[in-house]
Amino acid sequence: GDSVTQMEGPVTLSEEAFLTINCTYTATGYPSLFWYVQYPGEGLQLLLKATKADDKGSNKGFEATYRKETTSFHLEKGSVQVSDSAVYFCALSDYGSGNTGKLIFGQGTTLQVKP
Amino acid sequence: KAGVTQTPRYLIKTRGQQVTLSCSPISGHRSVSWYQQTPGQGLQFLFEYFSETQRNKGNFPGRFSGRQFSNSRSEMNVSTLELGDSALYLCASSWGTGQDYGYTFGSGTRLTVV
Repeated sequence: GDSVTQMEGPVTLSEEAFLTINCTYTATGYPSLFWYVQYPGEGLQLLLKATKADDKGSNKGFEATYRKETTSFHLEKGSVQVSDSAVYFCALSDYGSGNTGKLIFGQGTTLQVKP
Repeated sequence: KAGVTQTPRYLIKTRGQQVTLSCSPISGHRSVSWYQQTPGQGLQFLFEYFSETQRNKGNFPGRFSGRQFSNSRSEMNVSTLELGDSALYLCASSWGTGQDYGYTFGSGTRLTVV
């Protein structure tokens, strides 16, 4: 079945460092891909999404490109801030294959940014 | 525009009891889905409702059930609670058409079973 694999965490960076969180997926159809962020004690917030191959999602300095050839959707940010410390989830949804309402999540990557 | 509202935020229940959680989606969203988040299993899909009908279901025992009302508000019920049901329960309302769609999550209900 469909699945998402994220790099293991935690990831610890200094402020203004470059961030990459790797995400690869397996899907039988043509999924949409998402990155969500979760701050302590809160729900999930949509960070960015991409709906088809070669699409680039971007938001708040974060970017990710839907790479069908490598089945990847890596999250990047050029300069992280302390406020970016959170748990990041990569997810896919294959709505077109009848899997309505279902997001499949990776295991999450904890990011800690130190001043 | 109001977001997804989940109530209550926190619950403590005893093994064997049952519990009902509520989710009000964003106005105009007709699909509501539910997820369970635990440290061991991560985020797992429970079920999805659209226009009062369950359209999709995850791999959970029958003790987990849900429903949706005509105003799109949804409830999930867990009967005969077990310690392992302790989790953060998230609901999401979805929007969009065709390939352009997304999911907005509520803040969750933290259920503790003692």
